[in-house]
Amino acid sequence: EDKVVQSPLSLVVHEGDTVTLNCSYEVTNFRSLLWYKQEKKAPTFLFMLTSSGIEKKSGRLSSILDKKELFSILNITATQTGDSAVYLCAVSTGNKLVFGAGTILRVKS
Amino acid sequence: EPEVTQTPSHQVTQMGQEVILRCVPISNHLYFYWYRQILGQKVEFLVSFYNNEISEKSEIFDDQFSVERPDGSNFTLKIRSTKLEDSAMYFCASSGNRGQGWQYFGPGTRLTVT
Repeated sequence: EDKVVQSPLSLVVHEGDTVTLNCSYEVTNFRSLLWYKQEKKAPTFLFMLTSSGIEKKSGRLSSILDKKELFSILNITATQTGDSAVYLCAVSTGNKLVFGAGTILRVKS
Repeated sequence: EPEVTQTPSHQVTQMGQEVILRCVPISNHLYFYWYRQILGQKVEFLVSFYNNEISEKSEIFDDQFSVERPDGSNFTLKIRSTKLEDSAMYFCASSGNRGQGWQYFGPGTRLTVT
């Protein structure tokens, strides 16, 4: 059975802190790994990773994939209250996305 | 920026009733999906659809569920006889590429079965 596991389940930090969110996976037909941010309703796309070792960056967010060890991390530097959300990791197996349970991030001012 | 739209935003129905959830995917996308998220739980895949056929479906997607693309723009999910456990947020998604491309999600329909 395809499985995606995220850790930690929740995290409370202060503005300005750096956080690292983890995602490990076991799937039978890996195509890509995606990170989404879910604030109130729909997940919004952050990154898609297909190759090991290549860091993707967007502002204060960055992510990297290790296909040998089957995990990915999402880093957020200099956190802001607007980063408070659920961060979802998902693996594409071709016809579907398999989601992890998410990490709830709360950034306190 | 193109977006996936869904209607209604909230649907309340009685157990045993049929519901149809509607989605308008991004116009040049070819791959369509339904997911659901029960309150407090993870997002779960229901079904994927391409070229007027189901590509893959999960164990959740039993005979009570069906999907249709009745015209060139809409993509619908029908639940024939709703159960209490069908209460969830239902997300439609679309993508331009199978597998490698990311999926764009709609805002969701909250279905409440009483």
